[in-house]
Amino acid sequence: DIVMTQSPDSLTVSLGERATINCKSGQSVLYSSDNQNYLAWYQQKPGQPPKLLIYWASTRESGVPDRFSGGGSGTDFTLTISSLQAEDVAVYYCQQYYSPPYTFGQGTKLEIK
Amino acid sequence: QVHLQEAGPGLVKPSETLSLTCTVSGTSISSHYWSWIRQPPGKGLEWIGYIYNSGSAKYNPSFKSRVTISLDTSRSQSSLKVKSVTTADTAVYYCARGGRWNPDWGQGTLVTVSS
Repeated sequence: DIVMTQSPDSLTVSLGERATINCKSGQSVLYSSDNQNYLAWYQQKPGQPPKLLIYWASTRESGVPDRFSGGGSGTDFTLTISSLQAEDVAVYYCQQYYSPPYTFGQGTKLEIK
Repeated sequence: QVHLQEAGPGLVKPSETLSLTCTVSGTSISSHYWSWIRQPPGKGLEWIGYIYNSGSAKYNPSFKSRVTISLDTSRSQSSLKVKSVTTADTAVYYCARGGRWNPDWGQGTLVTVSS
């Protein structure tokens, strides 16, 4: 199984400031034949199902605000929120879909300072 | 708009079989992959598996062949069965559209394994 490790486990950021969450995979999730990174990011608020934010490591899902961006390649990835809003308080997960079983990071809890 | 709704018993006894259905509306169930993912209370997400219309399914080996996912296209439903459950199977179970990434999710249903 590909182990996904996120850092930090929790993050406190002021409103309007930048938030960056890191995700590291135990092996590369870059598929050479299509040059795509098989990685997604989700946001989960309390009592709600996860919401897809990003797929292919950097493609924003329809309707997701452009303050959310994904980057990285190979084994190291980031989710960046450029200007934190109150509604962004949530737990964020990365997920690899390169190789079953698809695996998630342990989650990063984002709070407002 | 795609809507998914999980249903099933909220309480299952140890060693019995957990059975859930996911009713899909707003899209053709035959046109997509359908996944099941679970989340133990207060913990992270665990991928269970997915199925496509052809009936081909992929499962997480960690479940050691206890899991079966199926499709009933006439009812627009996906089903999940987990055999020989233990307290470690207590979780919120989600169905979701998609096999790789999941753009649509049900609200989830809590299943507690307890005698």
